[in-house]
Amino acid sequence: RKEVEQDPGPFNVPEGATVAFNCTYSNSASQSFFWYRQDCRKEPKLLMSVYSSGNEDGRFTAQLNRASQYISLLIRDSKLSDSATYLCVVNDKTSYDKVIFGPGTSLSVIP
Amino acid sequence: DADVTQTPRNRITKTGKRIMLECSQTKGHDRMYWYRQDPGLGLRLIYYSFDVKDINKGEISDGYSVSRQAQAKFSLSLESAIPNQTALYFCATSTGDGYTFGSGTRLTVV
Repeated sequence: RKEVEQDPGPFNVPEGATVAFNCTYSNSASQSFFWYRQDCRKEPKLLMSVYSSGNEDGRFTAQLNRASQYISLLIRDSKLSDSATYLCVVNDKTSYDKVIFGPGTSLSVIP
Repeated sequence: DADVTQTPRNRITKTGKRIMLECSQTKGHDRMYWYRQDPGLGLRLIYYSFDVKDINKGEISDGYSVSRQAQAKFSLSLESAIPNQTALYFCATSTGDGYTFGSGTRLTVV
């Protein structure tokens, strides 16, 4: 089993739709969680951290379920500019501050 | 100027050649990393450094070496390039709470 798994998609959604991505991780000792956004042929950029209590940033909501070892990202009112690949990132600080990137989920928002 | 600068942006090299990818940062972070990205595999860690005297192998270090010349500079070398090292390479820095990536180096080994 891969350490961090994501549905690769692609997710093709119309503008204004709500879309949700899930990510599962295998190491129960993982301590920090993030979502990154990567545009085609560009570097990943931090979208948001994921906190145990869940957190929201505008149209984006991140949730963490430690018991089931999954993280989710919800995007409401999708915009064309949301089209990108979304990377789930898990940080296990019990070892060498090991950070594992998921393979990413591709989103295309269509007019 | 970008916080993390990588050079070159693109490079085509021949099998067996030695090549160096350079990375410099202006964020003042101690932690620096080299990753490669391949389609469908995500980002994989090659080497990381938590300060100038601390360099560690990542999960795919074979065929690569690094040098941390200063806090701000971390270079990656391919001693003898092979075609399966064709990939997108990213340098990154962090404080432990999120990464800042360079723009990447697209390397093709022919």
